[in-house]
Amino acid sequence: EVQLVESGGGLVKAGGSLRLSCAASGFIFSTYSMAWVRQAPGKRPEWVSSTTDSGSYTFYGDSVRGRFIFSRDNAKNSMYLDMNNLRAEDTAVYYCVRLLNGYYENWGQGTLVTVSS
Amino acid sequence: EIVLTQSPGTLSLSPGEGATLSCRASQTVSSKYLAWYQQKPGQAPRLLIYAASSRATGIPDRFSGSGSGTDFTLTIRRLEPEDFAVYYCQQFGSSNSPRYSFGQGTKLEIK
Repeated sequence: EVQLVESGGGLVKAGGSLRLSCAASGFIFSTYSMAWVRQAPGKRPEWVSSTTDSGSYTFYGDSVRGRFIFSRDNAKNSMYLDMNNLRAEDTAVYYCVRLLNGYYENWGQGTLVTVSS
Repeated sequence: EIVLTQSPGTLSLSPGEGATLSCRASQTVSSKYLAWYQQKPGQAPRLLIYAASSRATGIPDRFSGSGSGTDFTLTIRRLEPEDFAVYYCQQFGSSNSPRYSFGQGTKLEIK
């Protein structure tokens, strides 16, 4: 069974930093592209960032490019999102997601990030 | 950037009835990259339909997807109590870099 477990969310002040982690199990992590998707309260989901199976290519949404860094450690079946210079509008539930052909095939339970201004 | 517009915003129906949800794109979308998700309160979205008409693993056959070009439809036959949720359509595109976008959602509520 595919399992994706996020951690690291919490309350942070505007301008601060936070690191999210995702532990994957139940599939061969190193063969899948992965993504972070966030969802602000009452809003639609929003793609944040995605990376290829090896981590050689990483892409970012316009709203986070230059502030967030997505990395993965295939040896540890884990991925990370380093979030810097956080803004109030970054407040959301952040999901770790397994990608397949452009779809969000499997989702974690999410971790809440709250940025106070 | 492709904008997805879903209608209606809210759909009020009774269990046993059928539901038709619409997703319209601002530009032509490849059917290969159009998906539908279901989200219940406090839960992550769940993939229902991919490639416009293929059901994801474990999804009951009362859920079906159709459409092409700019107009796509999610149909739910004989609504069950657990089907009342928010539904999103999503498309994937790539030019220089990947782009994923969601519609604003349709809330399916019990009448």
